[in-house]
Parts: sequence; C-alpha cells; structure tokens
Amino acid sequence: DAEITQSPRHKITETGRQVTLACHQTWNHNNMFWYRQDLGHGLRLIHYSYGVHDTNKGEVSDGYSVSRSNTEDLPLTLESAASSQTSVYFCASSVGGGSSYNEQFFGPGTRLTVL
Amino acid sequence: AQSVTQPDIHITVSEGASLELRCNYSYGATPYLFWYVQSPGQGLQLLLKYFSGDTLVQGIKGFEAEFKRSQSSFNLRKPSVHWSDAAEYFCAVGGMAAGNKLTFGGGTRVLVKP
Repeated sequence: DAEITQSPRHKITETGRQVTLACHQTWNHNNMFWYRQDLGHGLRLIHYSYGVHDTNKGEVSDGYSVSRSNTEDLPLTLESAASSQTSVYFCASSVGGGSSYNEQFFGPGTRLTVL
Repeated sequence: AQSVTQPDIHITVSEGASLELRCNYSYGATPYLFWYVQSPGQGLQLLLKYFSGDTLVQGIKGFEAEFKRSQSSFNLRKPSVHWSDAAEYFCAVGGMAAGNKLTFGGGTRVLVKP
C-alpha cells in the first residue's frame, strides 16, 4: 500500500547541531508539506513543495530549509538547531496539479528535542 | 490571510453524552474545510471534509459537521461520545486560492469521563 513515512520518529540533539528529518511518500504525489505542532498553535506550515526542484517558505520557515530532488522525498533540515525548535514535525503530501483541491495525507510525525 | 479559531482549548464530556466542537474560519474564497483527530502520540487522521454541496457532512467514527457560510463556522458534532473519542481535534481550512495549503486551528483537547 502507498504510504508516507518519516524518520527518525524520535530525535534528541544539541543546540547548534545540524539536523535532517526525512519524509518519504510512495503515492507519487506532487505536493509535499512540512508542519510543526506546538501546544496551543495547532500545526503551522514550515515549507512546502509543488514538485521536483520547487520549494516555498511557509508561515514559520526561519531556521529551516528543504530541497526536492525527486518526487518521493522532501527532507527538512535545521541548519543550527535551537531550543525553540523542539517540537513535533509532520510531513504531508497531496496529489497536486489540475484545477481541483486535493486532500493532504499525513505521516506519523517526528518528535524532536533540542537540548 | 486565512485563519482558523477553535475557541475551546479543553472540553470534558461524560461518556454517552453529546459533543460539539466549535470552529470558525476566515478565508477570502471558497473554503475547503476539514476536521482531523489526533490520538495521544499518534499522527493526524481525517474525520471528515467539506468541499461543496450538502452543508451537513458525515464522517468516520459517527462524527458529523455542519458548514454555515453566514457564520463562517464548521462545527463538529457527535451524538454519543465513547471513551475512545478522547483525543485532540483540529479544524483546518484550505483551498485553491491558498495554493492547496492548509491552515489549522489551535486544537481542542477532549477528555471523556466514565
């Protein structure tokens, strides 16, 4: 079955380190999204991509970067981890293209702790 | 800019009682509306969605939601709550005008008393 996976599921790192969170989907979806979830804020969009080599900043993009070299993967990089980036990170994907809105499907999440 | 407000941060309900979760949105074009549920330590599961048509939408697990354009609301309801409904619920709005992006509310945590 097609799915969306995230790795690692849990990560503890230190302030200042570079961290990369992986997101892999097997639906062949064009659109991919990264969100962070914090208490009281729901999910907030970090970065998103509409296709290979396309990336866009979301609402809370400072300190994060993404790259899209193929359809299946959108890794999220924290260039220099900060304690404020301790959060749960969700990846999502949707079909994309065309003139209709497409539902997003979510991965299981990665819990990141920055000490 | 689009936004979603869930006025209730926590709701406690007795098992078997009815549940209503409020959601108000702001969106400048035709909205697509969603309710997601997140059980403790889990990812997000889609409960239901509204794209167009009948304003009363049926979802999974016995949930329903009603779209009221005049009130900019999309409230979620369940007639009789089960202990397994204890979770966090998120309302979200999206649409073609927003480039298929979703904006989430802050969530409502539901506690179920036996």
